[in-house]
Amino acid sequence: GAVVSQHPSRVICKSGTSVKIECRSLDFQATTMFWYRQFPKKSLMLMATSNEGSKATYEQGVEKDKFLINHASLTLSTLTVTSAHPEDSSFYICSANRAGGRETQYFGPGTRLLVL
Amino acid sequence: GDSVTQMEGPVTLSEEACLTINCTYTATGYPSLFWYVQYPGEGLQLLLKATKADDKGSNKGFEATYRKETTSFHLEKGSVQVSDSAVYFCALSGAGAQKLVFGQGTRLTINP
Repeated sequence: GAVVSQHPSRVICKSGTSVKIECRSLDFQATTMFWYRQFPKKSLMLMATSNEGSKATYEQGVEKDKFLINHASLTLSTLTVTSAHPEDSSFYICSANRAGGRETQYFGPGTRLLVL
Repeated sequence: GDSVTQMEGPVTLSEEACLTINCTYTATGYPSLFWYVQYPGEGLQLLLKATKADDKGSNKGFEATYRKETTSFHLEKGSVQVSDSAVYFCALSGAGAQKLVFGQGTRLTINP
């Protein structure tokens, strides 16, 4: 149990376009989902915490108008990178806390974004 | 703020060697501590965790003990296998908080 999926797994887009990444908890309800960004050979940096039915909480330095997060249901959160630029190229990873669970986050496999 | 410092990689060992990956942390209160593993091409998986001082987390032959006096949570394994090749992340979550703070990751390569 506790499987988290992400779609797409890899996306290439042109500069200036917007890209939506989906994060789904497949076999559990997730009241909280997290979005991370991972740079090559670097650690995961938390971008935002997404709670179902409310606005996401963004970490310092993360532009909320550029990285739009929607957590419309207990099993789905989306991250939209608006007007993407080459510097947004990265590996984006989501994770989810099981509703009623404690502390353990379950991670998706990640989405590789390349902006040309 | 809270932070995690991990042993710099990469680490390369021969099969059946002993492994230690150091991890120290800075946090207020009593955080929970985790080791996550990322195999090539896959997402992060929880390897083990400890939620209070002196707890020992263990899984797949790996162990780590929550040492509050030294603010450490070193990962150990007595005999590594080729299949243990991966990137290992130490992480903490602060008392009452859900979000994780990660170390920089340590890439481990085990040669046959």
